[in-house]
Amino acid sequence: QKEVEQNSGPLSVPEGAIASLNCTYSDRGSQSFFWYRQYSGKSPELIMSIYSNGDKEDGRFTAQLNKASQYVSLLIRDSQPSDSATYLCAGTNFNSGGSNYKLTFGKGTLLTVNP
Amino acid sequence: EAQVTQNPRYLITVTGKKLTVTCSQNMNHEYMSWYRQDPGLGLRQIYYSMNVEVTDKGDVPEGYKVSRKEKRNFPLILESPSPNQTSLYFCASSLGVNSPTQLYGYTFGSGTRLTVV
Repeated sequence: QKEVEQNSGPLSVPEGAIASLNCTYSDRGSQSFFWYRQYSGKSPELIMSIYSNGDKEDGRFTAQLNKASQYVSLLIRDSQPSDSATYLCAGTNFNSGGSNYKLTFGKGTLLTVNP
Repeated sequence: EAQVTQNPRYLITVTGKKLTVTCSQNMNHEYMSWYRQDPGLGLRQIYYSMNVEVTDKGDVPEGYKVSRKEKRNFPLILESPSPNQTSLYFCASSLGVNSPTQLYGYTFGSGTRLTVV
């Protein structure tokens, strides 16, 4: 069973700090990775995608991918109370099986940013 | 506005009474999928569709049916709902493949909270 695992949290950081969210995946063939943010009672919202080893920055968010270690992370700089949400890591190996563009999601990490 | 629209948002029904949750997207996406989200289990794929008239099972298809007669619509059908289908359901759509190694992310609908009593 191909899995995506996240540190279960919850994670609590003070406002202005860096929040670090981590994720590992079991399918070495996975090629595309995503971070979603989900506020309580709402739908997941795509915040970052990453496909290549290294870092990808978008505003206060940095995604990091290490395929050798099968590890994906998300850093949130200058954390704000509005960043308080559950963060979902997802990966896919859509070439296995050929047709199902399935994202496999981790169970999520609840982040609380304290004012 | 580009979006995935699900209806209804909330539904309480009784065991065995057939129901349909509708999903429609206005982004001309080929790929659509249904997920359910349960505490402690996360998001699990129910069914997916590559294009019109092309559907297949995901990880937890038992008790569900889908159809894809038009590109924009992908309804989820519960022929005989049972209490273990009480869950939060999400429809999602995607453009699909960006390149041989890159998949576009999903856009999710607002969700349908279903309670079967």
